[in-house]
Amino acid sequence: AQSVTQLGSHVSVSEGALVLLRCNYSSSVPPYLFWYVQYPNQGLQLLLKYTSAATLVKGINGFEAEFKKSETSFHLTKPSAHMSDAAEYFCAVSDRGSTLGRLYFGRGTQLTVWP
Amino acid sequence: DADVTQTPRNRITKTGKRIMLECSQTKGHDRMYWYRQDPGLGLRLIYYSFDVKDINKGEISDGYSVSRQAQAKFSLSLESAIPNQTALYFCATSDRLAVLSTDTQYFGPGTRLTVL
Repeated sequence: AQSVTQLGSHVSVSEGALVLLRCNYSSSVPPYLFWYVQYPNQGLQLLLKYTSAATLVKGINGFEAEFKKSETSFHLTKPSAHMSDAAEYFCAVSDRGSTLGRLYFGRGTQLTVWP
Repeated sequence: DADVTQTPRNRITKTGKRIMLECSQTKGHDRMYWYRQDPGLGLRLIYYSFDVKDINKGEISDGYSVSRQAQAKFSLSLESAIPNQTALYFCATSDRLAVLSTDTQYFGPGTRLTVL
């Protein structure tokens, strides 16, 4: 089975600072990779996804993530944090070789943005 | 209108009661999923369904059952609710039949269930 590790259950940054949320996965073949965001009292919204095209993926709200096969990582970044970015972020992986199509989620990282 | 809807959005019940959570989708997707979210544990898969006749257990199916009444509807039941089933429950869909399917899942807004 796949597994996903998100380093840091809580990350705090100042408004305007760089946001870096870390995600590492375990897989024998490059999987599909996803970042989802959950705002308070809402469901999960797709932020961006890697599907074997460009290794640098751009998403909504100025976020981007880079797939690094050698490091089995898919870290999420944003150059300048905004107060509205405060939310919980989930990294997920799909096993492309499986017919099941299920996603495996990390435990989430809560992002706090200070004024 | 939302593509994936869940009812109810909030529910408080007592130990031993039977509870049904409902999910409907207008995306035309073949696959539907039920997850529960607990603080610090992320999302864990309860059940998933490939179509009306194909239902599969996820990693935490004990104490739950499901019904896929139609392609667009997938219900989750707690036959006899217990306090440790207090959690946020999400329904999700994906389209595995698409030519360029990438297993992307689309989530409903969630149901917050409290079992006293």
